[in-house]
Amino acid sequence: ETGVTQTPRHLVMGMTNKKSLKCEQHLGHNAMYWYKQSAKKPLELMFVYSLEERVENNSVPSRFSPECPNSSHLFLHLHTLQPEDSALYLCASSPGQGAHIQYFGAGTRLSVL
Amino acid sequence: DAKTTQPTSMDCAEGRAANLPCNHSTISGNEYVYWYRQIHSQGPQYIIHGLKNNETNEMASLIITEDRKSSTLILPHATLRDTAVYYCIVRDIYSGAGSYQLTFGKGTKLSVIP
Repeated sequence: ETGVTQTPRHLVMGMTNKKSLKCEQHLGHNAMYWYKQSAKKPLELMFVYSLEERVENNSVPSRFSPECPNSSHLFLHLHTLQPEDSALYLCASSPGQGAHIQYFGAGTRLSVL
Repeated sequence: DAKTTQPTSMDCAEGRAANLPCNHSTISGNEYVYWYRQIHSQGPQYIIHGLKNNETNEMASLIITEDRKSSTLILPHATLRDTAVYYCIVRDIYSGAGSYQLTFGKGTKLSVIP
């Protein structure tokens, strides 16, 4: 138990569906992250929120839309995804800016059909 | 950030010490060495980090050479649950833009064998 909870753990969706991934952290951290891990590829940082403000967006397609309503919750809204978006999506949190000790959730395994 | 080089895979007998090397020959004075691991189908887990001195915690020990160009993560008594991909990451904690970025490479796949 890392203190970072992701739901759902598994998700199958069609290319025309809209779904959302949820992340919740119980660590009192100020920064939250979304990563993507495709098969046989390194983790790719997608988005970073610090104190509910998006501070990094690494050229992620607009079909991925993050939302951070408060410092404990982070969402990733998905719409009109492509099969190549199938991957493990990981959420992480850290105490604050520049903190390199990040605590990860177990991830959501997404399959796009 | 300095680049790191790790072996692709290693085996270790259960109960023995696992020594995982990492080369970071271009490391600069402000860069720390971090180790994470990722057990299959789970998120990465922070293990340990250090700057110059050797470090030890409940999970592992980190040995950094005097010239800081390489380091070794030591799991003193490996168990089957230590089977995972281990990532060595070098990061300047004082960098500005992109200061949240942790660059995970391919890591070392450690297999602990019964």
